Amino acid sequence: EVQLVESGGGLVQPGRSLRLSCAASGFTFDDYAMHWVRQAPGKGLEWVSGISWNSGSIGYADSVKGRFTISRDNAKNSLYLQMNNLRTEDTALYYCAKVLGVVVFLDAFNMWGQGTMVTVSS
Amino acid sequence: QLVLTQSPSASASLGASVKLTCTLSSGHSSYAIAWHQQQPEKGPRYLMKLDSDGSHSKGDGIPDRFTGSSSGADRYLTISSLQSEDEADYYCQTWGTGIPVFGGGTKLTVL
Repeated sequence: EVQLVESGGGLVQPGRSLRLSCAASGFTFDDYAMHWVRQAPGKGLEWVSGISWNSGSIGYADSVKGRFTISRDNAKNSLYLQMNNLRTEDTALYYCAKVLGVVVFLDAFNMWGQGTMVTVSS
Repeated sequence: QLVLTQSPSASASLGASVKLTCTLSSGHSSYAIAWHQQQPEKGPRYLMKLDSDGSHSKGDGIPDRFTGSSSGADRYLTISSLQSEDEADYYCQTWGTGIPVFGGGTKLTVL
């Protein structure tokens, strides 16, 4: 079965860190760029970060640049998001997403996980 | 700056058709987009990739009731024979300027 499963979310205090994971299965993981997208409660979708198939290209939204780090382990079919110095405005459901095209960094997101909730509060 | 504009809400009756619009900001009318559906309390679901010429490729298992079309800077998602499960938020997405961008979403109510 083709799927993405996120984990690692939780309740954390402002200024602390959290590491999200996304386990991929059912497709050749190392052929595709992967991205993180978040959705604050009651709000729309916001792109957070992306990484190319070979980690050669990486991008971040301005809102998380310098605080979040994306990485991947192709041997483990896994995507990660290290989130440091968390702020209350980072509270959101975090989704990992796969791009449609092989090798390209940017494309339509054609597969989504179910999301993992991150709550930043004191 | 690339912006995708969607109407916040739309409604149509069960069994009828509805056409949702996503408008690319000035200077970006040639960009392809993707349409995604998000049912209540669920993650997004990819519907289709839609090019500027109206050609589109749908995701696995997406019914024929969902079709895409384009005109200038406008990208459309038409849903025919509306069913109750079509009640959802619909988002457009593009990536032409180097980062992925989402529209604000349209909440579709099936009456």
